Amino acid sequence: EPEVTQTPSHQVTQMGQEVILRCVPISNHLYFYWYRQILGQKVEFLVSFYNNEISEKSEIFDDQFSVERPDGSNFTLKIRSTKLEDSAMYFCASSEVFYSRETQYFGPGTRLLVL
Amino acid sequence: QKEVEQDPGPLSVPEGAIVSLNCTYSNSAFQYFMWYRQYSRKGPELLMYTYSSGNKEDGRFTAQVDKSSKYISLFIRDSQPSDSATYLCAMSQGAQKLVFGQGTRLTINP
Repeated sequence: EPEVTQTPSHQVTQMGQEVILRCVPISNHLYFYWYRQILGQKVEFLVSFYNNEISEKSEIFDDQFSVERPDGSNFTLKIRSTKLEDSAMYFCASSEVFYSRETQYFGPGTRLLVL
Repeated sequence: QKEVEQDPGPLSVPEGAIVSLNCTYSNSAFQYFMWYRQYSRKGPELLMYTYSSGNKEDGRFTAQVDKSSKYISLFIRDSQPSDSATYLCAMSQGAQKLVFGQGTRLTINP
């Protein structure tokens, strides 16, 4: 069964460093998303991406964040200068969209720890 | 009022019991309703999705959506210890962000 994959599974970084989180969405999906979950809190939407551009972003997704689809398979989230509060689980998701069927499938997540 | 509200529990029931999990929401524009299961430190796994109102059944799981009351439910019949997880409701307007509930932590006791 097709699945969303993410690398790395864990990342530890120093405050102020740049990190890139990688995702391979399900191959025939057209919409891509990043969410994050701070320990013990809700899963929160960060950004959605369609047709090589951002279609929606949340207040969390400020200028420190960027997304890219550098080739036909990968989808990346970059945090330019990490802060302590960026420590969270980051989930990539993808969906195919047909009328009456809009389901997002999530990857296993990358646990980011900023020290 | 929060956009999606879900009782975080924890909820503990004996094996074989019927479990009822619920969410309420305030945004009447939501059209797609999903239930995800999340094991500790893992990604959300899609369990059920429903478009608009109505019921949907899949094995031991039944999802109900009542748009007039802005209320959705997930029922688990013949609950098993392997059903122990956090259950997340999520909803969207379509091809857009999912808005999640807090998640209900469920434990099925053998």
